[in-house]
Amino acid sequence: GAGVSQSPSNKVTEKGKDVELRCDPISGHTALYWYRQSLGQGLEFLIYFQGNSAPDKSGLPSDRFSAERTGGSVSTLTIQRTQQEDSAVYLCASSFGRTVDYGYTFGSGTRLTVV
Amino acid sequence: KQEVTQIPAALSVPEGENLVLNCSFTDSAIYNLQWFRQDPGKGLTSLLLIQSSQREQTSGRLNASLDKSSGRSTLYIAASQPGDSATYLCAVTTDSWGKLQFGAGTQVVVTP
Repeated sequence: GAGVSQSPSNKVTEKGKDVELRCDPISGHTALYWYRQSLGQGLEFLIYFQGNSAPDKSGLPSDRFSAERTGGSVSTLTIQRTQQEDSAVYLCASSFGRTVDYGYTFGSGTRLTVV
Repeated sequence: KQEVTQIPAALSVPEGENLVLNCSFTDSAIYNLQWFRQDPGKGLTSLLLIQSSQREQTSGRLNASLDKSSGRSTLYIAASQPGDSATYLCAVTTDSWGKLQFGAGTQVVVTP
């Protein structure tokens, strides 16, 4: 596609429910990143994919968070048993190769509100 | 641990004035430094990327400098316009995978 697409754009969920956030990167981009932007915390790295594998999951805040990528394309970030502190904007970015060489393209994000 | 700080947190200037945004980082072992713009409800738009071996990058009215040894970068926006109103984020790349460490941002308002 022309850009990085994220869905849904907004999600309101009840505490304790599971949610899935989707990222559709630019076609041909092999690298994919998830970041979280919350009030008072700024932007935090969550996980990085190169193809379908995740060499760096160090930013996932707890075992309630997981992510997968299939076919080297679409990625899904799953949050189980959501808590109010999970409320944030979740941003996805993709890159043609190593981002140190090519830079990023970010999606518009999914705003998650846990009530 | 790498820490990135942006000063000021907010800035308001009249149209036509030059903008100066500052970014500092604690660990000079970076691959590159990027400046991003974020509009309300939108994602991040990359403005300038400076590799660790470079001293500055320019794009139109934007100029960014990098002094890796002192851990500082400055973004200059010449002749500001109301359309420049946004939050500007600085980020350093801390590993070869491209993981970014962000500052908290500077919120800029340019008044007509």
